[in-house]
Amino acid sequence: GAVVSQHPSWVICKSGTSVKIECRSLDFQATTMFWYRQFPKQSLMLMATSNEGSKATYEQGVEKDKFLINHASLTLSTLTVTSAHPEDSSFYICSASRTSGGTYNEQFFGPGTRLTVL
Amino acid sequence: SQKIEQNSEALNIQEGKTATLTCNYTNYSPAYLQWYRQDPGRGPVFLLLIRENEKEKRKERLKVTFDTTLKQSLFHITASQPADSATYLCALLSGTYKYIFGTGTRLKVLA
Repeated sequence: GAVVSQHPSWVICKSGTSVKIECRSLDFQATTMFWYRQFPKQSLMLMATSNEGSKATYEQGVEKDKFLINHASLTLSTLTVTSAHPEDSSFYICSASRTSGGTYNEQFFGPGTRLTVL
Repeated sequence: SQKIEQNSEALNIQEGKTATLTCNYTNYSPAYLQWYRQDPGRGPVFLLLIRENEKEKRKERLKVTFDTTLKQSLFHITASQPADSATYLCALLSGTYKYIFGTGTRLKVLA
């Protein structure tokens, strides 16, 4: 149980285009989903936290107009990188948690999406 | 400022030996600390969680210690195998639900 999928697993796009990445919890309802970015040989950096049905909370330094997050249902969150540029090339990973916080909630990670912007 | 540090260099050990990885943190008082395994090009996989009031946690060949006085966690893999080769990340709970990750330590177990 507790499987999280991401689609696509990799994507190559031209500079200036927008890319949408989907994160799905396959066998549980995820009240909270997290989006991370990881550059080579670096740690996972939390970009934003999204709760179903409400606006995402972005970390300091993350442009919310560039990285649009939608958490429309308890099993799906999407990250759209708008007007992508080469510096946005990275490994994007989502995770899902069963409840919205207050006590420890295990996060289940997706397999990641490799974005390359040419 | 808050910081989580893990051995930045790769750790190479011989098969069968015990691997010990370190996670040090400053300016945190985490209630929970987790260890994850990450293979190249993949998302992290949860291994163990330890609470602030626990000194040690074990799971099969894995052992985690948590010293809140030293602000340090140690992660041990006993009887290591080449299949244990991966990057291992520690993560601290900051606030009520947000985890902050260390940079990870790359472990290579030599046959």
